[in-house]
Amino acid sequence: KNEVEQSPQNLTAQEGEFITINCSYSVGISALHWLQQHPGGGIVSLFMLSSGKKKHGRLIATINIQEKHSSLHITASHPRDSAVYICAVSLSSGSARQLTFGSGTQLTVLP
Amino acid sequence: DTEVTQTPKHLVMGMTNKKSLKCEQHMGHRAMYWYKQKAKKPPELMFVYSYEKLSINESVPSRFSPECPNSSLLNLHLHALQPEDSALYLCASSQVLLAGGFTGELFFGEGSRLTVL
Repeated sequence: KNEVEQSPQNLTAQEGEFITINCSYSVGISALHWLQQHPGGGIVSLFMLSSGKKKHGRLIATINIQEKHSSLHITASHPRDSAVYICAVSLSSGSARQLTFGSGTQLTVLP
Repeated sequence: DTEVTQTPKHLVMGMTNKKSLKCEQHMGHRAMYWYKQKAKKPPELMFVYSYEKLSINESVPSRFSPECPNSSLLNLHLHALQPEDSALYLCASSQVLLAGGFTGELFFGEGSRLTVL
């Protein structure tokens, strides 16, 4: 079982829809990261969370430490939101791996 | 300046060639990383430098040779690669090493897409 699980793997939505991507983890963490990767390849850090909720524009990220679960929400989705969204965690124990990544969610927003 | 700049963006090389990938950041970060990413897979950590010293080598074959000449630059020297080494190579940096519970944001470059013929 992967230490970081994301769902769904693929998601297609119509423009304007509210989108939720989920991330569950099974290890102790010091922080959880939501990353965005466009087809060109570059990765952008969207959020880093250790508790509660953060909002940036149309993006909202929440984390529940007790349940080991995080969600990324996109309100009023737009075709330019189409990308792979990756959940990654920083392990709380001394780890050489730096970040442990989920397998990503491919989001396609149709006009 | 919150950018990590990677060059070249695309590289095609033969199995006998020697080439290098370059990465630069001017955010004053003291930890820099090389990741390898195959299609539809998450990035895999290759090397980590902390204060210009190699801190982590994730059992990467010796045909990949990292170098950190100063705190702003990170190179990945490539020699005698195999076709299965074709991938997107991503450089990243953080303020200091993300380890032992330290939290910090990771800044990624756009990547260098490598094709080995």
